[in-house]
Amino acid sequence: AQKITQTQPGMFVQEKEAVTLDCTYDTSDPSYGLFWYKQPSSGEMIFLIYQGSYDQQNATEGRYSLNFQKARKSANLVISASQLGDSAMYFCAMREGRGSQGNLIFGKGTKLSVKP
Amino acid sequence: DVKVTQSSRYLVKRTGEKVFLECVQDMDHENMFWYRQDPGLGLRLIYFSYDVKMKEKGDIPEGYSVSREKKERFSLILESASTNQTSMYLCASSVQGDTEAFFGQGTRLTVV
Repeated sequence: AQKITQTQPGMFVQEKEAVTLDCTYDTSDPSYGLFWYKQPSSGEMIFLIYQGSYDQQNATEGRYSLNFQKARKSANLVISASQLGDSAMYFCAMREGRGSQGNLIFGKGTKLSVKP
Repeated sequence: DVKVTQSSRYLVKRTGEKVFLECVQDMDHENMFWYRQDPGLGLRLIYFSYDVKMKEKGDIPEGYSVSREKKERFSLILESASTNQTSMYLCASSVQGDTEAFFGQGTRLTVV
């Protein structure tokens, strides 16, 4: 069974609008971390934002915010005021077991295209 | 800045060859990872290591082995390369605990 599910293979958004990229996860571990990465066409993986399972507030980093709904096991990425440079692949990832050496599992990704 | 360096950006090898992909990080990270990335499949974990000489299988270890003799270096070995191992290979490292992983630039391997 997939541990990280990204149901949107591709999405389009108009420049300057907000967009939500979906991510659901599956774990029985009470302690875990959730991550979002951006991969532009150049191929580098860029870390965007992190949410810990015990964090009370949703994480925010500039134009990125994470809509964390623990009971639903979802960790959607919200990008506000989209820019052309936001066009890229976006990956959701999970690490189980805070404080341990646990591995980092990725979803299949969502390709975001920002239209001018 | 953390730097994770993969020895080659592009590599072409013949079927049956033994292939070494090298990864070096300069931030004294305990954890190191090897992933392969294929279109539509995302990043799949091949192996990871949480300490020198320690290794754990990921989701797709078949056909691969790894070596971590020094903390900063994590090598991925294809014992006998096959065409279905043509892929993008990504190395990453992180400290232990709940922190992000830092990635290398990737090695695009083609097996012919």
